[in-house]
Amino acid sequence: EAGVVQSPRYKIIEKKQPVAFWCNPISGHNTLYWYLQNLGQGPELLIRYENEEAVDDSQLPKDRFSAERLKGVDSTLKIQPAELGDSAVYLCASSSDTIGEAFFGQGTRLTVV
Amino acid sequence: AQRVTQPEKLLSVFKGAPVELKCNYSYSGSPELFWYVQYSRQRLQLLLRHISRESIKGFTADLNKGETSFHLKKPFAQEEDSAMYYCALRGQGAQKLVFGQGTRLTINP
Repeated sequence: EAGVVQSPRYKIIEKKQPVAFWCNPISGHNTLYWYLQNLGQGPELLIRYENEEAVDDSQLPKDRFSAERLKGVDSTLKIQPAELGDSAVYLCASSSDTIGEAFFGQGTRLTVV
Repeated sequence: AQRVTQPEKLLSVFKGAPVELKCNYSYSGSPELFWYVQYSRQRLQLLLRHISRESIKGFTADLNKGETSFHLKKPFAQEEDSAMYYCALRGQGAQKLVFGQGTRLTINP
């Protein structure tokens, strides 16, 4: 079992450019989360999906961030345009249901220059 | 509001010594508390959750509702325990985890 797979692992972009992250959750996991982890901080939830429905996106900065989970499996998180302050690690996690253990991916480390 | 506080960003102890990582929370209802661990170059993973009441890798944690704490303890630290530890809370009816800032534990030989 590969676990939650994220790509890319690292990304360096110039400010104002777009960027996208991809997440493949554990097979059969209906719940998918995107977390943001700033340096020296704990993860903070950006968005949570139940199947293909975004059920909690209250912390997602919708002016520049968007996410989708087509067919209730893989998910992409996009930033357009990126700002210097978006430099962080973006974590994807999945769980079998809303109360189950959340399994995390390796994360994507974004650097905006 | 849900909040998790880990007062120590860094903690260093010698091998064989007892270790305690502190976690305090703020929540008005009955929360579910977790400890997650991230070893060097590995992904964040669940260490233990309070409802399981189990010991994992020699670690235990007791939920103290009176003191709103969920401290992680191990009587004899081992070098392989060196890692980043995060305390997390999930509120009633909520599905998201709220994390503390984390404590970097270093076990010295």
